[in-house]
Amino acid sequence: QLQLQESGPGLVKPSETLSLTCTVSGGSISSSSYYWGWIRQSPGKGLEWIGSIYHSGSTYYNPSLKSRVAISVDTAKNQFSLKLSSVTAADTAMYYCARTEYYFDVSGYTFDYWGLGTLVTVSS
Amino acid sequence: DIQMTQSPSTLSASVGDRVTITCRASQSISSWLAWYQQKPGKAPKLLIYKASTLESGVPSRFSGSGSGTEFTLTISSLQPDDFATYYCQQYYSSPPTFGQGTKLEIK
Repeated sequence: QLQLQESGPGLVKPSETLSLTCTVSGGSISSSSYYWGWIRQSPGKGLEWIGSIYHSGSTYYNPSLKSRVAISVDTAKNQFSLKLSSVTAADTAMYYCARTEYYFDVSGYTFDYWGLGTLVTVSS
Repeated sequence: DIQMTQSPSTLSASVGDRVTITCRASQSISSWLAWYQQKPGKAPKLLIYKASTLESGVPSRFSGSGSGTEFTLTISSLQPDDFATYYCQQYYSSPPTFGQGTKLEIK
């Protein structure tokens, strides 16, 4: 059974960089069929797609966050990571990693396996 | 970005009821719509994709319909495990966007 697990600091100071890692078990991140993504959820903005990555390293970001986001993949460790720079209180949210089904017809994504999520609070 | 609007925001129902949740897109998304279920403290779970295709393992009491800009999620006979929050998500264009959620409560 595929499992995803987020890890990283739960508290980040304003203006600093949020860094999270997602470890995938029960399957290979190098599977040709899937992308891997980050989604966040906050009371104010609901569910928001941050971005997705293919095992080759190709990345796709939400334009609203693109200037501050970097997603990378480490196939040897079966992990992918998120960095979000210059964070503010508005970035306080539950962050989820998820396996992403990519639909080539429309360049669209659904999310079929999710991690448990990790709460990140931005505060000094 | 395509805006997704769900109604109602909250729905009170009883076990055994048939319930319907509506999701409207700000522009046509054909059938590129998914539905998720989220329980408190848990991650969302994919229920339906392509507007009406059930994800493997999802009970047949769940069904989805619609195309274009209007979609529905129907639960034919509510079970205690179904009380949760439901979200729609379009994947017709990037970025994928979600509705604000419909909380299904026990009456």
